[in-house]
Amino acid sequence: SQQGEEDPQALSIQEGENATMNCSYKTSINNLQWYRQNSGRGLVHLILIRSNEREKHSGRLRVTLDTSKKSSSLLITASRAADTASYFCATVPNSGGYQKVTFGTGTKLQVIP
Amino acid sequence: NAGVTQTPKFRVLKTGQSMTLLCAQDMNHEYMYWYRQDPGMGLRLIHYSVGEGTTAKGEVPDGYNVSRLKKQNFLLGLESAAPSQTSVYFCASSVRLAGSGEQFFGPGTRLTVL
Repeated sequence: SQQGEEDPQALSIQEGENATMNCSYKTSINNLQWYRQNSGRGLVHLILIRSNEREKHSGRLRVTLDTSKKSSSLLITASRAADTASYFCATVPNSGGYQKVTFGTGTKLQVIP
Repeated sequence: NAGVTQTPKFRVLKTGQSMTLLCAQDMNHEYMYWYRQDPGMGLRLIHYSVGEGTTAKGEVPDGYNVSRLKKQNFLLGLESAAPSQTSVYFCASSVRLAGSGEQFFGPGTRLTVL
């Protein structure tokens, strides 16, 4: 089974609203990463949060990590139509070396202008 | 800089045919990866390379072979294509191992095996 599971699978919001998507995982991690994928394109790295960090910001993105609940959330504030994309979390386990990155199934975000 | 490029963009094969997907990066990255993306599933690692002349198996390596003869190129081969290999294939590269930081992805190759 997937290490990271995103929730919800799909999300539709109006431009200007905030979008929140969640990622849950099963085993202890070294870090967790979020990627964006526009339709028909490759993935783009957004942010990495380490297991000893609780919150991280990058522009309109805010990522939180709760290792006790094995979950992370990605908040996009003041969404824009250009934010329409699929968002994936990727977990890096504590064991197995840094070559093992497990991607979740993604949240499909639609921002309506 | 072109970043990571993949050729071809689309391909249709018949069962049993062979083909090679080419990935090229111009960022002088040591690490390169091949993933496949299927509907309803996350990306799954097929093979990866930690440097020129090296390759290693990922999560789903069966039916695929790879070669990294030059640092900037990573080739993925299908010797005898099967319908189960219908997928979108992504190549990625990175400065450090994937779990340490950012991977840069190519635009993908959409492969259909009939």
